[in-house]
Amino acid sequence: KAGVTQTPRYLIKTRGQQVTLSCSPISGHRSVSWYQQTPGQGLQFLFEYFSETQRNKGNFPGRFSGRQFSNSRSEMNVSTLELGDSALYLCASSFTRGSYGYTFGSGTRLTVV
Amino acid sequence: QKEVEQNSGPLSVPEGAIASLNCTYSDRVSQSFFWYRQYSGKSPELIMSIYSNGDKEDGRFTAQLNKASQYVSLLIRDSQPSDSATYLCAVGGYQKVTFGTGTKLQVIP
Repeated sequence: KAGVTQTPRYLIKTRGQQVTLSCSPISGHRSVSWYQQTPGQGLQFLFEYFSETQRNKGNFPGRFSGRQFSNSRSEMNVSTLELGDSALYLCASSFTRGSYGYTFGSGTRLTVV
Repeated sequence: QKEVEQNSGPLSVPEGAIASLNCTYSDRVSQSFFWYRQYSGKSPELIMSIYSNGDKEDGRFTAQLNKASQYVSLLIRDSQPSDSATYLCAVGGYQKVTFGTGTKLQVIP
């Protein structure tokens, strides 16, 4: 059974640009959550999508957005990149909402220069 | 107060010893509790989940939950050098799952 696929694995962008990250969850999983991981802050919740609807959002500025498609694949977008957006972005897949544990993708390492 | 608190470590234990990792949480209505292991440069991997008070054992791992004290722990018996990693405590409610910043465990051969 295929795992959670995140693309791209690495990304270098300049300040002010925008970026789109992609996540394909495990087949049959309908919930996708996104987290930002930095050395100082740990894993910070960005948002959760279930059945193409954003169900919850963390405390991030509006520059961070996302969506989920009918096949459960999800994308997140960051506009007007700032140096502080440099982080590992992790996608977490689960069968349904609630608390059954996540399977994480390998992440996208974003560097903003 | 952080929602989920862990000692950042590092926690150093000799090979073969018991490693004890602790976590406290602030939301009393939390319903689910998880431990993830994250090796350096890798993504987190779920190793234990626990939903009710008491102990849950899986191989060398035991998770312990005390909702009254808002406390979760993970015991690793017969620690191996391959257990050296950062262990993340995560607490779930209906709305979201919140992670602690992790405890780095070093198992010394």
